[in-house]
Amino acid sequence: SQQGEEDPQALSIQEGENATMNCSYKTSINNLQWYRQNSGRGLVHLILIRSNEREKHSGRLRVTLDTSKKSSSLLITASRAADTASYFCATALSGTYKYIFGTGTRLKVLA
Amino acid sequence: GAVVSQHPSRVICKSGTSVKIECRSLDFQATTMFWYRQFPKKSLMLMATSNEGSKATYEQGVEKDKFLINHASLTLSTLTVTSAHPEDSSFYICSSLGGVGGWGTEAFFGQGTRLTVV
Repeated sequence: SQQGEEDPQALSIQEGENATMNCSYKTSINNLQWYRQNSGRGLVHLILIRSNEREKHSGRLRVTLDTSKKSSSLLITASRAADTASYFCATALSGTYKYIFGTGTRLKVLA
Repeated sequence: GAVVSQHPSRVICKSGTSVKIECRSLDFQATTMFWYRQFPKKSLMLMATSNEGSKATYEQGVEKDKFLINHASLTLSTLTVTSAHPEDSSFYICSSLGGVGGWGTEAFFGQGTRLTVV
């Protein structure tokens, strides 16, 4: 299966700390996206990083992509309780628009 | 960004009945939409690719007669869960690509539908 693997599966940190989540995938991709999902809700798009990019920033979010290792990381700096959610990476297979999701990381930020 | 509206957000139905879920692109034309299913505390699994004006393409292991997909217009795709059973209870989400396409296109997701079959 193309489905990506994310680690850790669950992460619990204190407010103010940084949270790092990793995503690995198996085949060539066009781009990789990170999404956030609050419990029982829909998905919120966070960042898209293209295969020719190595790093992107958006506010407190920093995403890196290493295509040689087929991995990406999402860093959330100065975390807040409101960041508590599940985070998924999704990759579009080369030559398609099909997005395949990683297994997800459940982040809990303690106030 | 582009808006994808999914309806209903929650539905409870009896075993044996059919349920239709709608996915609409509100401010753009979507020739392709995707349907995903999510079990509790699990990731999203791609079920099928919905193509406007043609048959949907189903992922391996997904019963096409069970999950009927219709994409009759550029703004609407529907997923019908036929003869629903309790094991069909799940969170279903649709998505569509925004803009005119290209490999960097962001996917926009509907709000999801929580189906409970009793």
